[in-house]
Amino acid sequence: GAGVSQTPSNKVTEKGKYVELRCDPISGHTALYWYRQSLGQGPEFLIYFQGTGAADDSGLPNDRFFAVRPEGSVSTLKIQRTERGDSAVYLCASSLNAGGSGYTFGSGTRLTVV
Amino acid sequence: KNQVEQSPQSLIILEGKNCTLQCNYTVSPFSNLRWYKQDTGRGPVSLTIMTFSENTKSNGRYTATLDADTKQSSLHITASQLSDSASYICVVSTSGSARQLTFGSGTQLTVLP
Repeated sequence: GAGVSQTPSNKVTEKGKYVELRCDPISGHTALYWYRQSLGQGPEFLIYFQGTGAADDSGLPNDRFFAVRPEGSVSTLKIQRTERGDSAVYLCASSLNAGGSGYTFGSGTRLTVV
Repeated sequence: KNQVEQSPQSLIILEGKNCTLQCNYTVSPFSNLRWYKQDTGRGPVSLTIMTFSENTKSNGRYTATLDADTKQSSLHITASQLSDSASYICVVSTSGSARQLTFGSGTQLTVLP
């Protein structure tokens, strides 16, 4: 696609529920990143994929968070047993390859846990 | 710990005026520094990217400077427009790390008519 697409744009869920957030990167971009952005803060790194594999998942806050990229394109961020503290904007970015100068961000998914 | 600090946290100016946003960083090893503009409800969009050897770079009314010795950068906006109202985020990239990017908290700029 022309840009990084994230769906849904907004998600409201009840505490304890499971959610999936989707990222469709720019076609041909091998590197994909997930970030979490709280209000008034800069994005915080969660996980980085190079192709299908998670090259660095050290930013995931705990084992309730998991992400996959089975075919090296679309990625899904999965959050189990959601908590109110998980409420944030989840941003996805992609770049042509690792270390590339051009990162393109999606518009994010605003997750609200009530 | 790699950190990027931005000031001011927020800024209000009148349309047509100039302003300068500051960024200090303690990131090592340094690869490059980027300024992003983030409109409300949107993802960050790149304005400039500078490597160690570059002191200044312009993109229209935006001019970024970099002093790699003092680890400081600034973003100067000339003749501000209402559409410049956004959060401006300074991002420093480390070499040799898959994480790549360390983000500042941003400066929230509001341009009033």
